[in-house]
Amino acid sequence: EIVMTQSPATLSVSPGERATLSCRASQNVDVALAWYQQKPGQGPRLLIYASSTRATGVPARFSGSGSRTEFTLTISSLQSEDCAVYYCQQYSAWPLTFGGGTKVEIK
Amino acid sequence: EVQLLESGGSLVQPGGTLRLSCAASGFTFTDYAMSWVRQAPGKGLEWVSTISDGTYYADSVRGRFTISRDNPSNTLYLQMDSLRAEDTAVFYCARSRGPGEHWFDPWGQGTLVIVSS
Repeated sequence: EIVMTQSPATLSVSPGERATLSCRASQNVDVALAWYQQKPGQGPRLLIYASSTRATGVPARFSGSGSRTEFTLTISSLQSEDCAVYYCQQYSAWPLTFGGGTKVEIK
Repeated sequence: EVQLLESGGSLVQPGGTLRLSCAASGFTFTDYAMSWVRQAPGKGLEWVSTISDGTYYADSVRGRFTISRDNPSNTLYLQMDSLRAEDTAVFYCARSRGPGEHWFDPWGQGTLVIVSS
């Protein structure tokens, strides 16, 4: 099983500042990596797939990068509505696995 | 508009059975793979099962859960047998494109399963 590790667990960022979230895979997943945003009481929302492709309707301030085992989600200018938990997921191999999540909050 | 609507969650005793349903609309159901992902209270996301070019299961549910789909009615199912307390979670259905492209978009709003005596 490919283990996905996210860091930090919690990230406090001032409005308008950059937020950088990390995701590490225990094995090479090439670019088979997706990012999701989940707000309280809601189902997750796809942000990024194939490591760096933004999903339809996702604001340009969200960007993804990385390959093999190291991945990053960047929010270039944090808005209040970006407060949420963010998860990475690999789909390179079965079983599909998620990281433990990073909670982003406003400082 | 693409929509996924789960139903069937409830309180069930350990060892019991439950069948979840997910009604899909707004897209050609047969063009996509479908999955179940769960989230225990206050915890992260855990993939459960996918029906695509075959059926795939997490080790934690293999032999107890069965995924299926009814294409004419655009409905995804999850038959859950021998339920355990650790199966307590919100269960989401989600769509993916297919082999090699199993990212999930969109997700439903979820249905809550509580396994307790």
